[in-house]
Amino acid sequence: KQEVTQIPAALSVPEGENLVLNCSFTDSAIYNLQWFRQDPGKGLTSLLLIQSSQREQTSGRLNASLDKSSGRSTLYIAASQPGDSATYLCAVSGGSGNTGKLIFGQGTTLQVKP
Amino acid sequence: NAGVMQNPRHLVRRRGQEARLRCSPMKGHSHVYWYRQLPEEGLKFMVYLQKENIIDESGMPKERFSAEFPKEGPSILRIQQVVRGDSAAYFCASSPTGQGFSGANVLTFGAGSRLTVL
Repeated sequence: KQEVTQIPAALSVPEGENLVLNCSFTDSAIYNLQWFRQDPGKGLTSLLLIQSSQREQTSGRLNASLDKSSGRSTLYIAASQPGDSATYLCAVSGGSGNTGKLIFGQGTTLQVKP
Repeated sequence: NAGVMQNPRHLVRRRGQEARLRCSPMKGHSHVYWYRQLPEEGLKFMVYLQKENIIDESGMPKERFSAEFPKEGPSILRIQQVVRGDSAAYFCASSPTGQGFSGANVLTFGAGSRLTVL
């Protein structure tokens, strides 16, 4: 059974700092991994998707890496801003017996202080 | 393209009543996924449907919950005899094909329906 864990659960940093969010998964037989952003009381916004054959994806100040063999992904946020404050969710698709649904981690709640 | 549309956005029910949540997938999408997010928790998969078929319902509670995706119209998540523990945000996502068949396939999420049970 696929399980996804995100560390840390919460993070508070001063504006301008670079930071790394971590995601680990137990079954390396994934199709892809996605990072989402969720603002309080809102839906999910897809940030980056990494296919199983890829090592990383970049979008603006965001960079996500994937190491399938070790079951890890990181989301790197450069030069953080107060507007980055949100909960960041990692989700994987695939794994043995999976019908294609996404399995989510619990999320990392980020606060960027001005 | 209006994206994934969920309604109602907010729903209040008293214990014992029924709740019906609707999801209209993106145009051209025939695969729908329902997720539940309890307060302070991550999203938990509930059910995956294609038109007129339930593909994976491994995350659905055994009682009171049902889902359908008819040939015409939106997907419906139905909760009978609601209890306070059903209070949560229910998210729907759609994709053009099943996630399992294409590594590049992406789920698009709706804004969610927030159920409050009094």
